Amino acid sequence: AQSVAQPEDQVNVAEGNPLTVKCTYSVSGNPYLFWYVQYPNRGLQFLLKYITGDNLVKGSYGFEAEFNKSQTSFHLKKPSALVSDSALYFCAVRDTSGTYKYIFGTGTRLKVLA
Amino acid sequence: EAGVAQSPRYKIIEKRQSVAFWCNPISGHATLYWYQQILGQGPKLLIQFQNNGVVDDSQLPKDRFSAERLKGVDSTLKIQPAKLEDSAVYLCASSLGLDTTDTQYFGPGTRLTVL
Repeated sequence: AQSVAQPEDQVNVAEGNPLTVKCTYSVSGNPYLFWYVQYPNRGLQFLLKYITGDNLVKGSYGFEAEFNKSQTSFHLKKPSALVSDSALYFCAVRDTSGTYKYIFGTGTRLKVLA
Repeated sequence: EAGVAQSPRYKIIEKRQSVAFWCNPISGHATLYWYQQILGQGPKLLIQFQNNGVVDDSQLPKDRFSAERLKGVDSTLKIQPAKLEDSAVYLCASSLGLDTTDTQYFGPGTRLTVL
């Protein structure tokens, strides 16, 4: 079965420092991976996705993610964190074995400290 | 381009009452999803439609939850009767289709409180 894991419930980082939010996956076949962000009282917003090609994927708001096949990871990164980046981040994988549904991780709360 | 629309944004009901949520996907999107997101957790897929057909409803509690997408555009999710544990945010999302590269876009959600 396809799954994603987000090992950290919360990540704290100082404003201006680089940030990393971790995600590992388990799939049979090619992975199709996504990152979403959720602000309070809002739906999920798409940040970026990995389908194929370059292992470094660039997305919205200055975020990027690094796909690492050997480590089965898809970590979200940003070179310089902003206080406004504080939110809940979800990693997701698309199930390619049948219905193509999305399977979400449990989420990581990012807190950027001024 | 208009996003996914949902209404109402908030709903408070008492247990054993019924409630309905409405979703209008992005124009041209064939696939529509309903998720339940309990506080502090990731979204859990309840039902997935492709046009007006059900693709996956394996996690839908069918004794109390129902959903339809009669004309293959907007959709309604109903709970009858509601239980306390149904308190959650109900998210609707849509994508162009079932291609693995398609991106899913979410509406703002409906926050349900069952008292």
